[in-house]
Amino acid sequence: EDKVVQSPLSLVVHEGDTVTLNCSYEVTNFRSLLWYKQEKKAPTFLFMLTSSGIEKKSGRLSSILDKKELSSILNITATQTGDSAIYLCVLSSGSARQLTFGSGTQLTVLP
Amino acid sequence: NAGVMQNPRHLVRRRGQEARLRCSPMKGHSHVYWYRQLPEEGLKFMVYLQKENIIDESGMPKERFSAEFPKEGPSILRIQQVVRGDSAAYFCASSGAGDAEAFFGQGTRLTVV
Repeated sequence: EDKVVQSPLSLVVHEGDTVTLNCSYEVTNFRSLLWYKQEKKAPTFLFMLTSSGIEKKSGRLSSILDKKELSSILNITATQTGDSAIYLCVLSSGSARQLTFGSGTQLTVLP
Repeated sequence: NAGVMQNPRHLVRRRGQEARLRCSPMKGHSHVYWYRQLPEEGLKFMVYLQKENIIDESGMPKERFSAEFPKEGPSILRIQQVVRGDSAAYFCASSGAGDAEAFFGQGTRLTVV
């Protein structure tokens, strides 16, 4: 059974700090790894990673996949209070492209 | 291009009633996924559908739950004879063909009283 483990489970930082969120996975038939941000509503898409070693960037957020280590990290620089959310790491796998969710990292950014 | 639309946003049902949750995928998307988020738990996969086909329903409870995605109209998640334990947020996501990313709807919050 595919598995996604995220760490830390929760993180409290102050505005301006840089954070690194970790995701490790076990998978039978890897297709892609996705990161989502979930506030009080639906998860919003951040990144989709399919190739190892290629960093994806969007503003202050960036992410990279390491297929050898079966892991991915999500970096957020110069954090803002609006970054407070649950960050979900999601694995897409198998011929049916089933999505397996990690438990999420609860990030709290204090002013 | 409207996003994934789910309705209703909130649904209250008494025990034993039926709940019907609707999901209209993004324009051009033919893949629909349903997820359930129980209180204090993460999102759990329920079912993956393409038009008129159930591709993977390994996450669906064996009884009372069913899903469809007809040729015309939204995808429907149907829960018969609801129980208190069905109270949860139900999210729908859609994607285009291939390994495109999935986009989520706003969810339907089902409360069973």
